[in-house]
Amino acid sequence: TQLLEQSPQFLSIQEGENLTVYCNSSSVFSSLQWYRQEPGEGPVLLVTVVTGGEVKKLKRLTFQFGDARKDSSLHITAAQPGDTGLYLCAGAGLLFGNEKLTFGTGTRLTIIP
Amino acid sequence: NAGVTQTPKFRVLKTGQSMTLLCAQDMNHEYMYWYRQDPGMGLRLIHYSVGEGTTAKGEVPDGYNVSRLKKQNFLLGLESAAPSQTSVYFCASSIPGQGKKITEAFFGQGTRLTVV
Repeated sequence: TQLLEQSPQFLSIQEGENLTVYCNSSSVFSSLQWYRQEPGEGPVLLVTVVTGGEVKKLKRLTFQFGDARKDSSLHITAAQPGDTGLYLCAGAGLLFGNEKLTFGTGTRLTIIP
Repeated sequence: NAGVTQTPKFRVLKTGQSMTLLCAQDMNHEYMYWYRQDPGMGLRLIHYSVGEGTTAKGEVPDGYNVSRLKKQNFLLGLESAAPSQTSVYFCASSIPGQGKKITEAFFGQGTRLTVV
């Protein structure tokens, strides 16, 4: 049983379109991170959110942590080919331990030029 | 800046063979982790360590052992490889933040292991 479910699993859209990917759990996390992974590489951190309802922006990427700290979303505005990659959410804390991350199933995003 | 280095990058094993994957970090991080990545399942934690000489089990520890004799190194061992252990293995390191909470995880480039 996967503790963090991401949707959609695959997403392919045209350059310039907007998109949202979701990360959901039935458990509460003390913090949640988003990573991006490119082929042949390890994941790289994009953002950490820690407060329920928190919104963070990173250029065209907007991250939101749910009010109950059980879910998160990543919204990309005007997607570009450079956004292509595997997006992973990861939670820490409470039930699962503060010192380690539980990763989601991942969303594989492809932006078509 | 080496960061987290994994060796080897690729390996093919026969069923029943043993091997050790080495992870080395030069950032003086306290925490180190071994994950495996399989299609559609994200990253699953195998074992981790919160300091030199300490290790703990993660979500999928069966068939693996680890050791952290030096702060900068974290070794993952497969005593008797099975085809189900075919995967991409990632090592990561981190420093504890407030309340010993994990902060940013820095990953190596991965080891692609095939067991035939």
